[in-house]
Amino acid sequence: QVQLQESGPGLVKPSQTLSLTCTVSGGSISSGGYYWSWIRQHPGKGLEWIGYIYYSGSTYYNPSLKSRVTISVDTSKNQFSLKLSSVTAADTAVYYCARGNYGDYYWYFDLWGRGTLVTVSS
Amino acid sequence: QSVLTQPPSVSAAPGQKVTISCSGSSSNIGNNYVSWYQQLPGTAPKLLIYDNNKRPSGIPDRFSGSKSGTSATLGITGLQTGDEADYYCGTWDSSLSAHVVFGGGTKLTVL
Repeated sequence: QVQLQESGPGLVKPSQTLSLTCTVSGGSISSGGYYWSWIRQHPGKGLEWIGYIYYSGSTYYNPSLKSRVTISVDTSKNQFSLKLSSVTAADTAVYYCARGNYGDYYWYFDLWGRGTLVTVSS
Repeated sequence: QSVLTQPPSVSAAPGQKVTISCSGSSSNIGNNYVSWYQQLPGTAPKLLIYDNNKRPSGIPDRFSGSKSGTSATLGITGLQTGDEADYYCGTWDSSLSAHVVFGGGTKLTVL
């Protein structure tokens, strides 16, 4: 079955760029139909959607983070990535990659990675 | 402050039924389908309900979802200690700053 796995540094310094990769196994990103997303959860808090990328490369970001976010896809490696620039302590969170389902009036995430904790600290 | 409003906590005894509410507005729940997620301690969220009331394969029928107007409800019957978790609702918000939104989460305690 399809599985997602996040990877990347667990510690990032303030003002630097947070970079994470999600590797998809058991299925191909290029098959289409899904919107590959990043979602984060601040410690002890709720979920915050960051944005998505389609296999074609089209993206959409949460307006609250749009100026700092870049999501890219590498279909040859079956991976998609997140870059969040100019990080502060407020970006400390568990970051999840997830498979999004999107259509007329519906949006849901049916598969999630295990999540990776990223701490922003000097 | 989450766009969707959920009670911080609910509790019930094993075997009983519990409902968790999710309140929104016309720009989100009122005009879009709602999904629900279960997050067991220390794990990633898991899809429980999508399109207001549909269950993915493998989700027992003890879990149900409904929607009326700008509010949605998750119901869990035959409560088990293994149901202790945080539950989140989610949907699309079609306002000027359109994006996916979630509720703040509800901690379910099975007494």
